[in-house]
Amino acid sequence: QVQLVESGGGLVKPGGSLRLSCAASGFTFSDYYMSWIRQAPGKGLEWVSYISSSGSTIYYADSVKGRFTISRDNAKNSLYLQMNSLRAEDTAVYYCARDRFDYWGQGTLVTVSS
Amino acid sequence: QLVLTQSPSASASLGASVKLTCTLSSGHSSYAIAWHQQQPEKGPRYLMKLNSDGSHSKGDGIPDRFSGSSSGAERYLTISSLQSEDEADYYCQTWGTGVVFGGGTKLTVL
Repeated sequence: QVQLVESGGGLVKPGGSLRLSCAASGFTFSDYYMSWIRQAPGKGLEWVSYISSSGSTIYYADSVKGRFTISRDNAKNSLYLQMNSLRAEDTAVYYCARDRFDYWGQGTLVTVSS
Repeated sequence: QLVLTQSPSASASLGASVKLTCTLSSGHSSYAIAWHQQQPEKGPRYLMKLNSDGSHSKGDGIPDRFSGSSSGAERYLTISSLQSEDEADYYCQTWGTGVVFGGGTKLTVL
């Protein structure tokens, strides 16, 4: 069965960096676009970024452009999100999702606070 | 600008039916959307993709109680025979240059 498992969240100071990972299994990872979505405490869902199956096409939300970098390693069935220059407003649960958002992970919490 | 508008809250009685609405912004009435359910303290779960003609394809294991329909710029999610576990937040989502989510509707089952 399809499984997406995020990891790498934690507490980081403003201005710091963090790298999230999403381990995929149960499907041919290299065939699918992948996305990161986040949810601030008590708020709705906010799309962050997506990457094409080959990694050649990437889009970011304006709120993270220039600070976050999405990447993937198809040999390792893994998706990544490098987050730099973190701000308090980046505090959220971060989810990875497959292609048309038909499968989601359980999320990993990122807290940006001094 | 592509925007999805949802009512913040809805309520219905156990065993009844409820129809949630997602409205596409002007000029985008032909867009397909997806509906997602988020139960308390859980990650989102894909319910279905809903096209402008009302045809829809549901996710794995989604009960027949969940159905979708469309009219113009409106996209609907109907849940029949409401159960307690249907109490959740429901989000619509679509694709433009990036991805857009509606603000979500919190459904209370009375």
